[in-house]
Amino acid sequence: QVQLVQSGAEVKKPGSSVRVSCNSSGDSFSSFNVNWVRQAPGQGLVWMGSIIPIFGSPKVAPHLQGRLTITADASASAAYMDLRSLTADDTALYFCARDDSFQPLVDWGQGTLVTVSS
Amino acid sequence: DIQMTQSPSSLSASVGDRVTLTCRASRSISGYVNWFQQKPGKAPKLLIYAASTLQSGVPSRFSGSGSETEFTLTISSLQPEDFATYYCLQSFTDLYSFSQGTKLEMK
Repeated sequence: QVQLVQSGAEVKKPGSSVRVSCNSSGDSFSSFNVNWVRQAPGQGLVWMGSIIPIFGSPKVAPHLQGRLTITADASASAAYMDLRSLTADDTALYFCARDDSFQPLVDWGQGTLVTVSS
Repeated sequence: DIQMTQSPSSLSASVGDRVTLTCRASRSISGYVNWFQQKPGKAPKLLIYAASTLQSGVPSRFSGSGSETEFTLTISSLQPEDFATYYCLQSFTDLYSFSQGTKLEMK
């Protein structure tokens, strides 16, 4: 099991941006997909996008194209999610989760609460 | 995009019951379905991957089956710790997608 540690909770104003980081000490972190998933209060899981740190080339869900940027630093075993033009609808718990050889989203971060409020 | 539709959206059951949840894909996804369990305030947990392979450490009362567009998760004999929300995820394309989930509640 690979441990993923995310950055702390954020409170943001509408129209601003937020960055959430995901760090790992595991050797295999950079070789497989690191995914971002969010969950609005009382709602289901929504897959946002992913990146393989050693390759770059992020994939972003169509409904977030233009607002979401996913990057990674393979040498630091870290991945980042930047979400722009925030609205109240972006208030959610944001998770990073890594794939393994055959298992998708097998290891999860603890979640980062992002609250968008004026 | 591939849409995943799960049924039922909620289910009341008792300890010892056998329950089956279903996920349907909007187009064929071969066997690229995975099942997750989530308890309140916690990160989801992978139960089954590739439609029917039990993740290490997951009790054998959980099983998965299906292919192409229809998939099922079965819990053979519900235990108290199984009351949670369950989601399926398709990993057939690079753009994954979750279902809306099933909330399994105690009757």
